Amino acid sequence: QKEVEQDPGPLSVPEGAIVSLNCTYSNSAFQYFMWYRQYSRKGPELLMYTYSSGNKEDGRFTAQVDKSSKYISLFIRDSQPSDSATYLCAMSSLDQAGTALIFGKGTTLSVSS
Amino acid sequence: DSGVTQTPKHLITATGQRVTLRCSPRSGDLSVYWYQQSLDQGLQFLIQYYNGEERAKGNILERFSAQQFPDLHSELNLSSLELGDSALYFCASSPPSGAEQYFGPGTRLTVT
Repeated sequence: QKEVEQDPGPLSVPEGAIVSLNCTYSNSAFQYFMWYRQYSRKGPELLMYTYSSGNKEDGRFTAQVDKSSKYISLFIRDSQPSDSATYLCAMSSLDQAGTALIFGKGTTLSVSS
Repeated sequence: DSGVTQTPKHLITATGQRVTLRCSPRSGDLSVYWYQQSLDQGLQFLIQYYNGEERAKGNILERFSAQQFPDLHSELNLSSLELGDSALYFCASSPPSGAEQYFGPGTRLTVT
């Protein structure tokens, strides 16, 4: 079983839709959770960073962490064509804060106008 | 722009050769991480340096090595290159008190 599982998609939605992206993980030691956006062949861009469980909102983006279910989500409201990209979840463990991020393989999102 | 810089953007080289990739972290960041991204494997952690010292190793081949210099820039050396080493190589840095990482634009390595 991979440490982090992420549905690769592709996910296609119309402009203005609410998008839900998800990851599951197996390592209960993970405490730091991140979402990155990556445009084709570019460097991953940090979107959201959450410590432990709970919700975090930033503009059109909301990140949720449910540690009891080992499940994290990213919601995008009022999706735009410019949101078309690959979204990567990433996480690391508390006792190794500052060390490696473990990534999901990414979900490809396409938003049509 | 994350503030992390990487050079060169592209490298094309032949099998058996050696290359050096360079990374400068964001101002104030002490940690530098190297990742490899291939189509089938996704983003894989290679190695981490913190303030000049190696801190963690991931799936880094023995043919690969890295170092971090006193000015905190880092270099990743890849030797005896094989076709399978063709990939995107990313550098990331993180602040002293945080776990979040900021990625550079990457170096695209093509081995022919």
